[in-house]
Amino acid sequence: DVKVTQSSRYLVKRTGEKVFLECVQDMDHENMFWYRQDPGLGLRLIYFSYDVKMKEKGDIPEGYSVSREKKERFSLILESASTNQTSMYLCASSFLHGGATDTQYFGPGTRLTVL
Amino acid sequence: GQQVMQIPQYQHVQEGEDFTTYCNSSTTLSNIQWYKQRPGGHPVFLIQLVKSGEVKKQKRLTFQFGEAKKNSSLHITATQTTDVGTYFCAGPHSGAGSYQLTFGKGTKLSVIP
Repeated sequence: DVKVTQSSRYLVKRTGEKVFLECVQDMDHENMFWYRQDPGLGLRLIYFSYDVKMKEKGDIPEGYSVSREKKERFSLILESASTNQTSMYLCASSFLHGGATDTQYFGPGTRLTVL
Repeated sequence: GQQVMQIPQYQHVQEGEDFTTYCNSSTTLSNIQWYKQRPGGHPVFLIQLVKSGEVKKQKRLTFQFGEAKKNSSLHITATQTTDVGTYFCAGPHSGAGSYQLTFGKGTKLSVIP
């Protein structure tokens, strides 16, 4: 079974802190994604990566950065956390099949609260 | 940009009633995927539809892909409390990188026992 793990289920940080959210997948997937989920807004893509050291902005990249130094690990960084970044953060991964869209496997999520 | 719209946003049904959620895309899709997220859980892949007019069934769940490949539906027959959750449709992003999905906002299903 594909397993996507996230470093924390719950996290509480203060405004201005630097926050790292980590995601690890064990299926050798090329693609990895970071979403945030807010009530009424669904899943919104923050960043994704299709290869090591490669990254692409999603729909809402402002205030976030990412790092992918190893294929299995994709980190989301909040350089200076703000209260409007309080949300559920979901990581996902998928294979890269050229031209085809493969299914995404999600991690359990990290509920981040910024005070 | 590409939009994937889902209706209704919420649906409350009595156990045993049927339920349908509808998904509409602003662009033609090469395929559409459906995911389910249980309360407190994460989205889990249910199915992918690829062909125009395709219909697939999973027990009490019936998935349809429209002839024009711009809309889709999920129908649950005789809902059970285990069907509770939010159902999302998702289509490939219309831009570079078809591996990127655009998700609808989801339909949250509540089942009253």
